[in-house]
Amino acid sequence: DTAVSQTPKYLVTQMGNDKSIKCEQNLGHDTMYWYKQDSKKFLKIMFSYNNKELIINETVPNRFSPKSPDKAHLNLHINSLELGDSAVYFCASSQDSLSLSLGYTFGSGTRLTVV
Amino acid sequence: AQSVTQPDIHITVSEGASLELRCNYSYGATPYLFWYVQSPGQGLQLLLKYFSGDTLVQGIKGFEAEFKRSQSSFNLRKPSVHWSDAAEYFCAVGFMDSNYQLIWGAGTKLIIKP
Repeated sequence: DTAVSQTPKYLVTQMGNDKSIKCEQNLGHDTMYWYKQDSKKFLKIMFSYNNKELIINETVPNRFSPKSPDKAHLNLHINSLELGDSAVYFCASSQDSLSLSLGYTFGSGTRLTVV
Repeated sequence: AQSVTQPDIHITVSEGASLELRCNYSYGATPYLFWYVQSPGQGLQLLLKYFSGDTLVQGIKGFEAEFKRSQSSFNLRKPSVHWSDAAEYFCAVGFMDSNYQLIWGAGTKLIIKP
């Protein structure tokens, strides 16, 4: 009964490859997020979707493309992977984009290593 | 631009000692305030939050935090730490006029000495 689940947990791939990370939440939340956490633990928001609509699109290389087939799912596809993409990617969800009363619920992260 | 500062990159505390982790934010309006904990290899777990009312809030795992408007601070405290508290702690702040997007501190790594 995991609230926010991400797959895979670990991903090791070569430079230039294309990979996807999947995220699903069973909380009934309207809003989902992708965060990147670098080696210094700094959290940077990448994207946010509210009920399948993109609402936050931070300065991220266009090799990163989010997709939300429904409000319970938010996937992240990365093209032409680079060494600098190595990081931990977190998916999160919140009740909606204009309410912080419950905070965010995070997945356990996907550790991406590009070699 | 709004910002959140956690001035201590890491803190070392003996097991059983008290703990205070600092968090300051730059904006004047009443924010939504959060503390999250990230254990090694894990995701972020919400410890506690503040929106309004009593400025001293209680959270999980014996943590509490106090909102001080005059100091724009929301410091996290625990009277007696346990070895299992060793983790990274993040302060996050949300503001109405930033579309409720959370702004994150850089985190404080808590190290527990036996």
